[in-house]
Amino acid sequence: DTAVSQTPKYLVTQMGNDKSIKCEQNLGHDTMYWYKQDSKKFLKIMFSYNNKELIINETVPNRFSPKSPDKAHLNLHINSLELGDSAVYFCASSQETGVLSGYTFGSGTRLTVV
Amino acid sequence: AQSVTQLGSHVSVSEGALVLLRCNYSSSVPPYLFWYVQYPNQGLQLLLKYTSAATLVKGINGFEAEFKKSETSFHLTKPSAHMSDAAEYFCAVTSKAAGNKLTFGGGTRVLVKP
Repeated sequence: DTAVSQTPKYLVTQMGNDKSIKCEQNLGHDTMYWYKQDSKKFLKIMFSYNNKELIINETVPNRFSPKSPDKAHLNLHINSLELGDSAVYFCASSQETGVLSGYTFGSGTRLTVV
Repeated sequence: AQSVTQLGSHVSVSEGALVLLRCNYSSSVPPYLFWYVQYPNQGLQLLLKYTSAATLVKGINGFEAEFKKSETSFHLTKPSAHMSDAAEYFCAVTSKAAGNKLTFGGGTRVLVKP
């Protein structure tokens, strides 16, 4: 019944590895997002997709590549992981009219790069 | 450009006392404002939102917020704190011009003392 689900919940990996985080929503929303929350709890948008099309791409290293196979899924692939990538990554979704309804967030993926 | 400033990264209140969390925004167009709560190791949950209807907005768990355009503020209050209110609170802003992009403040951690 989870509205926005992310896997895995925890991810510990070594520097230089490539990893993926998956996100799925069952709310019928047409827009999905990735946010990064750093160690000071600051939340910053990374990407946004609307109906599988990239609409927001903030200043993010090109080692990060989102992929949206359909409007219910938005995955995040990270190449050549660095220590500074350690953070909690949140997936969220909204209707295109999300300005009025707000976002629904997943419970986050805590990535630790060692 | 839009931005949010939350005054006070930490707030400590006694159980039963008033909770007041301050949020000031900057937006060149009419804003839509949100408050989210994040419990430890969880995702963000929408508390309440202002979308240009009533300026006094009531949310879940007894919280409310008032939009004051003249002060560019959207402070969050709860008359009587409960132990379960201990969490991180985030104010966020967006607008139609921002294309659904939510910009978050730095968060305020609330500690409730018995």
